[in-house]
Amino acid sequence: LAKTTQPISMDSYEGQEVNITCSHNNIATNDYITWYQQFPSQGPRFIIQGYKTKVTNEVASLFIPADRKSSTLSLPRVSLSDTAVYYCLVGRGGGFKTIFGAGTRLFVKA
Amino acid sequence: DAGVTQSPTHLIKTRGQQVTLRCSPKSGHDTVSWYQQALGQGPQFIFQYYEEEERQRGNFPDRFSGHQFPNYSSELNVNALLLGDSALYLCASKQVGMETQYFGPGTRLLVL
Repeated sequence: LAKTTQPISMDSYEGQEVNITCSHNNIATNDYITWYQQFPSQGPRFIIQGYKTKVTNEVASLFIPADRKSSTLSLPRVSLSDTAVYYCLVGRGGGFKTIFGAGTRLFVKA
Repeated sequence: DAGVTQSPTHLIKTRGQQVTLRCSPKSGHDTVSWYQQALGQGPQFIFQYYEEEERQRGNFPDRFSGHQFPNYSSELNVNALLLGDSALYLCASKQVGMETQYFGPGTRLLVL
């Protein structure tokens, strides 16, 4: 089962770009990488998903190197409302093979 | 387009009781998974339903059971509640063959 390692916490200031890196050394060939954002007492909110190279949507970018053993979530110009826990998941189709770690607690300061 | 919905939002039970939580998947989705999230931890996978059958199961005792209905909605049942069952219970749905799961708002269960 693919396990992920993320920093426990990160601090940033409003307007800065935040990059959160996730290690997943034993990612399987057909695994996808997915990032979720979670606020206290709410369900995780899907941010972005990718398989290789770079993926960008309206809220974030996901950078995946060629060996796919890590990935970086990039949040441009964060605001106070981006203070949340960010989870990196590696797997396919949900289920028992897709494991949530402890996540990264991002704190954005004014 | 309605997202994943769950009911109730909050629930208080006492030890030994039984509880049923409900989930309606996002429109067009046919696969439902349930997760338990203890305070300060990441969600843990309980089980996944597709075509009204349990397809995958995580490391949870038989006290945790579920059901999926023909309209793809799902229930999570927990029997003989323990204090340690207090958690946020999350439902996630996806379309079979697709990779992205979408989560509901969760049900906060408190066992006294």
